[in-house]
Amino acid sequence: SQTIHQWPATLVQPVGSPLSLECTVEGTSNPNLYWYRQAAGRGLQLLFYSVGIGQISSEVPQNLSASRPQDRQFILSSKKLLLSDSGFYLCAWSGLVYEQYFGPGTRLTVT
Amino acid sequence: QKEVEQNSGPLSVPEGAIASLNCTYSDRGSQSFFWYRQYSGKSPELIMSIYSNGDKEDGRFTAQLNKASQYVSLLIRDSQPSDSATYLCAVKKGGGNKLTFGTGTQLKVEL
Repeated sequence: SQTIHQWPATLVQPVGSPLSLECTVEGTSNPNLYWYRQAAGRGLQLLFYSVGIGQISSEVPQNLSASRPQDRQFILSSKKLLLSDSGFYLCAWSGLVYEQYFGPGTRLTVT
Repeated sequence: QKEVEQNSGPLSVPEGAIASLNCTYSDRGSQSFFWYRQYSGKSPELIMSIYSNGDKEDGRFTAQLNKASQYVSLLIRDSQPSDSATYLCAVKKGGGNKLTFGTGTQLKVEL
């Protein structure tokens, strides 16, 4: 069966510090991968998605970036965090009929 | 008009009643429809998918799709307090690899 991991689970970072969130998927090959952000009390905002190694599509302009160095690894990064980057970051993978399965998420607080 | 619209709620139903959650979408070319459940502080969990007009039942859950009227609904029979969560509707348009999520309906099942 497929499993998706995210770490860390929680993170508190000061404004201006860098960020690296990692997501890995097990039990499937060549998945589509997605990064979402969910601000408190808000809906899911798609940040990036990837259909293969090195292929990244950005949905919104921001100070975040994403990379996919391996088939089942997806990384979200920032060089300098802003207060507005606080939120619940979710990684997801999609199957053959595009249903998406989410990881446990990383709760980021920028102080 | 939002691409996927849901009433934010909260929708309160007594234990044992039927909860009815509704979702409308704007793109007539949409092909795939999903319902997710999200408990507070947790990541979304896929509970139902539906691809053709009509009803699809899975245990206490029934998804209903009407493409002509551009709405999809989720019925929860014999509602339990453990069903209290936010329910997200997601829609896949005809092309591409992305889902568009509604902002969710909060359901409260009261004893």
